[in-house]
Amino acid sequence: KNQVEQSPQSLIILEGKNCTLQCNYTVSPFSNLRWYKQDTGRGPVSLTIMTFSENTKSNGRYTATLDADTKQSSLHITASQLSDSASYICVVSAYTGGFKTIFGAGTRLFVKA
Amino acid sequence: EAGVAQSPRYKIIEKRQSVAFWCNPISGHATLYWYQQILGQGPKLLIQFQNNGVVDDSQLPKDRFSAERLKGVDSTLKIQPAKLEDSAVYLCASSSYTGIRANEKLFFGSGTQLSVL
Repeated sequence: KNQVEQSPQSLIILEGKNCTLQCNYTVSPFSNLRWYKQDTGRGPVSLTIMTFSENTKSNGRYTATLDADTKQSSLHITASQLSDSASYICVVSAYTGGFKTIFGAGTRLFVKA
Repeated sequence: EAGVAQSPRYKIIEKRQSVAFWCNPISGHATLYWYQQILGQGPKLLIQFQNNGVVDDSQLPKDRFSAERLKGVDSTLKIQPAKLEDSAVYLCASSSYTGIRANEKLFFGSGTQLSVL
């Protein structure tokens, strides 16, 4: 069964600290993996897109990694800011008799001053 | 560039009533999606359009949900009759997918928050 599991479910950190969010998936055959940021009351916004051959991609203070062998991805946030408070959603796509996209439930990040 | 527009922003109805949501995608985007996001969960695909044709509606509860994109631009999603479990945020997304799925980037609207009482 194609699944995307994210951990932790929620996380509280102090402003300025770093954090890492995890995503494990069982989606096959893998096409791409995306990380989205979703502010409260808003739609998700794309942070990174990685295909099978890519193992690291950065977008400012956000760095995503991908290990296609272990089917794991992480999103590292450096020097967190209050505006980083949001849900971070891992999304994995696969070709399974058509193009399918499976969303994780997200990690809710709270950055405190 | 204008983003994906959705309306209304909020809607409160009683169970068994009908409701409709509207979405106007980014200009030129051929692919349009409707997602249902229940509180604390990730979005779940309801239906995908390519221009005015349906690509995937396998997870759309067709006994009560319907969607159309008649002119291949804006789209409406309708629920009739609504149930309590339909309370969720309904997100519309569009993309300029041209055949390279691995690079497809979705742009989401802010969603319509539906509360069914």
